[in-house]
Amino acid sequence: GAGVSQSPRYKVAKRGQDVALRCDPISGHVSLFWYQQALGQGPEFLTYFQNEAQLDKSGLPSDRFFAERPEGSVSTLKIQRTQQEDSAVYLCASSQTSLPYEQYFGPGTRLTVT
Amino acid sequence: QQQVKQSPQSLIVQKGGISIINCAYENTAFDYFPWYQQFPGKGPALLIAIRPDVSEKKEGRFTISFNKSAKQFSLHIMDSQPGDSATYFCAAWGPNNNDMRFGAGTRLTVKP
Repeated sequence: GAGVSQSPRYKVAKRGQDVALRCDPISGHVSLFWYQQALGQGPEFLTYFQNEAQLDKSGLPSDRFFAERPEGSVSTLKIQRTQQEDSAVYLCASSQTSLPYEQYFGPGTRLTVT
Repeated sequence: QQQVKQSPQSLIVQKGGISIINCAYENTAFDYFPWYQQFPGKGPALLIAIRPDVSEKKEGRFTISFNKSAKQFSLHIMDSQPGDSATYFCAAWGPNNNDMRFGAGTRLTVKP
């Protein structure tokens, strides 16, 4: 079956531009997580959805970051007025249950802000 | 934010050898400890996971050893193969968190 997909795979943005990153979780998965992975580091939590409800956004680094999952399936992570420090790989993961056990990760979107 | 410390940062092992990666955690509320394998350009993939009610879990060539009192756990890869060359992340989760806390990763290279 299809896994988690993310698009675009690569995004280059000029500083100050807005970007939108898309995640298509595995069909029927309840939980969806966004992570930020800096080069040479482990993923760091950004936000968590259970169905369409955003239950935790404590990891979002600033109010320039916004995520939504309006119909409980596809999710979009939006970054406004991008800064160089936003350059990272953004990973999306989904889980069948309301808990983060057995998270399935997508391939990530590599964002480069110039 | 990082509450899981992983070592070594990089590891080189000969084919057929044993690869050992260690992690230590701080939060005693953590009760789920997975290991992920990540190849370049791919997302992390769950390899094996353990709960603290057991001290060891084995799946094929991969074994997790867990020491609850020391708040440490490790991944052992037996008979390491060149195809195991990847970055490995330990992680931890507890019921008081919505997020999985990851270590910084270990880049494993298995030489043929």
